[in-house]
Amino acid sequence: DAKTTQPPSMDCAEGRAANLPCNHSTISGNEYVYWYRQIHSQGPQYIIHGLKNNETNEMASLIITEDRKSSTLILPHATLRDTAVYYCIVRVDSGGSNYKLTFGKGTLLTVNP
Amino acid sequence: GAGVSQSPSNKVTEKGKDVELRCDPISGHTALYWYRQRLGQGLEFLIYFQGNSAPDKSGLPSDRFSAERTGESVSTLTIQRTQQEDSAVYLCASSLERFQPQHFGDGTRLSIL
Repeated sequence: DAKTTQPPSMDCAEGRAANLPCNHSTISGNEYVYWYRQIHSQGPQYIIHGLKNNETNEMASLIITEDRKSSTLILPHATLRDTAVYYCIVRVDSGGSNYKLTFGKGTLLTVNP
Repeated sequence: GAGVSQSPSNKVTEKGKDVELRCDPISGHTALYWYRQRLGQGLEFLIYFQGNSAPDKSGLPSDRFSAERTGESVSTLTIQRTQQEDSAVYLCASSLERFQPQHFGDGTRLSIL
């Protein structure tokens, strides 16, 4: 899997948009960008994933640059419950044992009142 | 709908005892995964089940660890003769198919005295 780089921490005001960046300059053409988060004392939570088009679901939006070397996860209206460590992962969705998930350091997002 | 359910949520036991951890995946999910997460660490893959195929046991750390899954339903992870280094959160995840997004339970926090 391609390496990802995320800032170790970010702050966001409650009600504002949280924009979490991720660099993945060595991503391959068949690797997807996935985002998970882990709230303290809970299991990881899948948020969203995409290949090259921007994606949106009920939780977040994923913006992937045209060259696919970076992406941004957007939480449009952050709440206190969004405080968590956010993990950006790139992985191939086929072949071998690519189903094994590994997390890097992630970004600790703190939403402040 | 119901998410992945794990039980017990916490387990404290003495060194040398056997423990059994249970995972109820999301209904209809054919793939099931067990991971271990030590305090402040990332995910450590343990085992993967897919339908009636032979499981991928490559992540089990020793022969004291074993897991079973009945069809596409409940799975149990058994640790025999527990050691203090087995203390961790044991996470179960399921996905619709092998390379689909994984949905996690909140884990079993295992403490070995």
